[in-house]
Amino acid sequence: GESVGLHLPTLSVQEGDNSIINCAYSNSASDYFIWYKQESGKGPQFIIDIRSNMDKRQGQRVTVLLNKTVKHLSLQIAATQPGDSAVYFCAENNYGQNFVFGPGTRLSVLP
Amino acid sequence: NAGVTQTPKFQVLKTGQSMTLQCAQDMNHNSMYWYRQDPGMGLRLIYYSASEGTTDKGEVPNGYNVSRLNKREFSLRLESAAPSQTSVYFCASSTWDRGLIEQYFGPGTRLTVT
Repeated sequence: GESVGLHLPTLSVQEGDNSIINCAYSNSASDYFIWYKQESGKGPQFIIDIRSNMDKRQGQRVTVLLNKTVKHLSLQIAATQPGDSAVYFCAENNYGQNFVFGPGTRLSVLP
Repeated sequence: NAGVTQTPKFQVLKTGQSMTLQCAQDMNHNSMYWYRQDPGMGLRLIYYSASEGTTDKGEVPNGYNVSRLNKREFSLRLESAAPSQTSVYFCASSTWDRGLIEQYFGPGTRLTVT
């Protein structure tokens, strides 16, 4: 689910399992999307991006899926590792306008 | 290549005090941004600068001013700090690269206003 107030949604996964983090974006005209990873005490770090003319894009251990019909974005992390523990959030952009950021999901990797 | 740097990393202010947050990037990016991040919320844009010499308000500009000193530097000023400005502040810069918009963030400044 989406976050409300101070509490981020948390996804807990076992080390080695796959993780799927979801994001609902707001603007049907958005044409560019980024997933960021933010570790505690650090700035957001770019993970992967996707343009609206694509449905899927793969990186190293990560895959982003875009469903424009329902304005939904997901980030899949394969073989989740302890170092993947962080807050993940998506950002949308509309033809070079400013980015709009989602509130984020906390990923907790269990040993 | 340091990327985006911010100073200071931490700051405590009393209500009514003023301060300037500094940001610099060495990637020759045209656009720079100031965001604030509050617990459980996404990043919110305070001000941005699309290019040297221009600045524009973002979503939450009240209580802040900015200066794009040159292409490298973009500062954020709080003239009279309020407890509601307690937050973590991030500077970012971006560029167009083969049609993509790559945005890079600094490490953040954690500000507490008492």
